[in-house]
Amino acid sequence: ETGVTQTPRHLVMGMTNKKSLKCEQHLGHNAMYWYKQSAKKPLELMFVYNFKEQTENNSVPSRFSPECPNSSHLFLHLHTLQPEDSALYLCASSQDSGQGNYGYTFGSGTRLTVV
Amino acid sequence: AQTVTQSQPEMSVQEAETVTLSCTYDTSESDYYLFWYKQPPSRQMILVIRQEAYKQQNATENRFSVNFQKAAKSFSLKISDSQLGDAAMYFCAALNFDMRFGAGTRLTVKP
Repeated sequence: ETGVTQTPRHLVMGMTNKKSLKCEQHLGHNAMYWYKQSAKKPLELMFVYNFKEQTENNSVPSRFSPECPNSSHLFLHLHTLQPEDSALYLCASSQDSGQGNYGYTFGSGTRLTVV
Repeated sequence: AQTVTQSQPEMSVQEAETVTLSCTYDTSESDYYLFWYKQPPSRQMILVIRQEAYKQQNATENRFSVNFQKAAKSFSLKISDSQLGDAAMYFCAALNFDMRFGAGTRLTVKP
């Protein structure tokens, strides 16, 4: 394992469902990130948390709700999603959001399918 | 925010040969970092190489090296002696306040 663990690995949900994605890191990092990866498109940065505080929200629809209870855990709560939200959701971490110059450490992602 | 462009959706190379993947970026900042990540079918993004923009010397990691042209805002990745295990999606990324990625290049390695 890389040090960043994401669960579940796969998720199929209906448009009226509520589900959550989980990300956990034990690298001692203080910054965590959610990215959306769609086919043939650049990874889209969704949210940034630094020391548990949200520092960036890139105009993400409110049907995506992040939560960061501590520096080791990050959640993405999902509700009333649309089929176009189907994608690979990647979590990443770094020492802190101003010290990502050694790169981010990524999890293996959750493949989300909205039906 | 910075933008990153990878103009080659797919590339192919013969095993043991050399291939170069292209990347250009746009940023108004003078201090930034550049990266190449590899994403195999396991989906985990793996850091291949990094470059500090204030360093003129091109970064090298074993068979992987970059050609960093700061004035042209170009950051290409050269893979020498290609191996079957190099087959993957390769993403170029630029970091200033946060990390932005290109759309990726799918590399196929032919035996």
